[in-house]
Amino acid sequence: GQQLNQSPQSMFIQEGEDVSMNCTSSSIFNTWLWYKQDPGEGPVLLIALYKAGELTSNGRLTAQFGITRKDSFLNISASIPSDVGIYFCAGHTGNQFYFGTGTSLTVIP
Amino acid sequence: SQTIHQWPATLVQPVGSPLSLECTVEGTSNPNLYWYRQAAGRGLQLLFYSVGIGQISSEVPQNLSASRPQDRQFILSSKKLLLSDSGFYLCAWSLDVAEAFFGQGTRLTVV
Repeated sequence: GQQLNQSPQSMFIQEGEDVSMNCTSSSIFNTWLWYKQDPGEGPVLLIALYKAGELTSNGRLTAQFGITRKDSFLNISASIPSDVGIYFCAGHTGNQFYFGTGTSLTVIP
Repeated sequence: SQTIHQWPATLVQPVGSPLSLECTVEGTSNPNLYWYRQAAGRGLQLLFYSVGIGQISSEVPQNLSASRPQDRQFILSSKKLLLSDSGFYLCAWSLDVAEAFFGQGTRLTVV
C-alpha cells in the first residue's frame, strides 16, 4: 500500500500554544483528510481538502492541500486540553484511503 | 443522518477459535465499506474494502476474510485466530464524496 509520512510522531505542548503537523507522500492524492482519534474510539473526521492549494478552517483548526498534491499540513491554534489525542492524515485515491502513522498530541494544562 | 454500528466493542478469543465482527451502516445506500486494523503503535492498515454486495477486495493476504451479504452490512471473519490477529479493528464507510466515517472499533485480544 501507499505510505504517508506524518510528522512529528509526538508533541508535548503547553495549553494555549499553537500546533503544526504535516504529512507527505510519494504519490499524488485527489483528496486529503485529517482525523482525530481518542483512546479506544474510532477516528473522527476533522477537515477534508479537495483541491490542490486549498486552505480550509474548522474553528481553531486550519489545513492545507499542498500544490503538488503530495502533502498536507494541519495547524491547531490556541491548544486546549481536549485537543489531546492522535491526529491522522489520510489521502484518498480511487476507492481507497491511505493513512499516516499519526501524531500523538499531549497538552499540558 | 448516517450512522455506523460496529460490534462487539471488545472481544477476547482463544487461539484457534473463529471470529465474526459485524458492521452495519444506516441512513445511506450503496456505501463503500472498509475494514482496517490498528495495531499498537497507531497505524491503520487497510484489510478489505467493498464497493457493492458480494464485491470484496483484499489488501493484505492473511488469516482473515470479509463478506458483504447485504448492501449495508460488512462482516470480518476468521476460521482460526492467531495471536497476531490481536488489534483494534475499525469499520468505515464512504460515498462518492471522498470522506470516510468510522465506527467505534472492536478491541480483539487473542489469548
